Amino acid sequence: AQSVTQLDSQVPVFEEAPVELRCNYSSSVSVYLFWYVQYPNQGLQLLLKYLSGSTLVKGINGFEAEFNKSQTSFHLRKPSVHISDTAEYFCAVTPMNRDDKIIFGKGTRLHILP
Amino acid sequence: SAVISQKPSRDICQRGTSLTIQCQVDSQVTMMFWYRQQPGQSLTLIATANQGSEATYESGFVIDKFPISRPNLTFSTLTVSNMSPEDSSIYLCSGWTGGNYGYTFGSGTRLTVV
Repeated sequence: AQSVTQLDSQVPVFEEAPVELRCNYSSSVSVYLFWYVQYPNQGLQLLLKYLSGSTLVKGINGFEAEFNKSQTSFHLRKPSVHISDTAEYFCAVTPMNRDDKIIFGKGTRLHILP
Repeated sequence: SAVISQKPSRDICQRGTSLTIQCQVDSQVTMMFWYRQQPGQSLTLIATANQGSEATYESGFVIDKFPISRPNLTFSTLTVSNMSPEDSSIYLCSGWTGGNYGYTFGSGTRLTVV
């Protein structure tokens, strides 16, 4: 079975400052990894995903994440945040056979301070 | 990437009644998944909807409360039966839509039971 731990439930950060949202996973098999964003009162939107290849993955809105297999981590980063980045961010994992369920972390609420 | 249309987007229902949520995908998907997101929380998988067979339910969810239909590879419904205020949540459907797109989610149904 797979599990996902998002270490921070809330992260406050000043506008234009860098941010890192942490995600660790546990799995006995190889996995695919995802970050989703949920803006207030909206559905889920895929930010980025790691399926294979380069461990540094670039997504939409200037976000990137690095897959670290030895540390079983997939931390999300952005060099300079904007007020519009205020949202809930979910890390998720699924086994590599693709047709299996996706497991979500508890989410990290990103607060952008003016 | 594929698009999943989910409806209704929101509803307010009386306790004891039932609501059926529909998800339509613009391409075929092998499996669809139904999630619940309670206020301020992450997504919890309710069940996996398999075409041509009964849905597979996660621990804590039962078919009598959340019957699911999957008549073909582009459509699924979830019914929330005999509702109580504790069922007030956002319900989302998802599917692996193939290629390099990861999972796609519907926009969610915000249910309030009064």
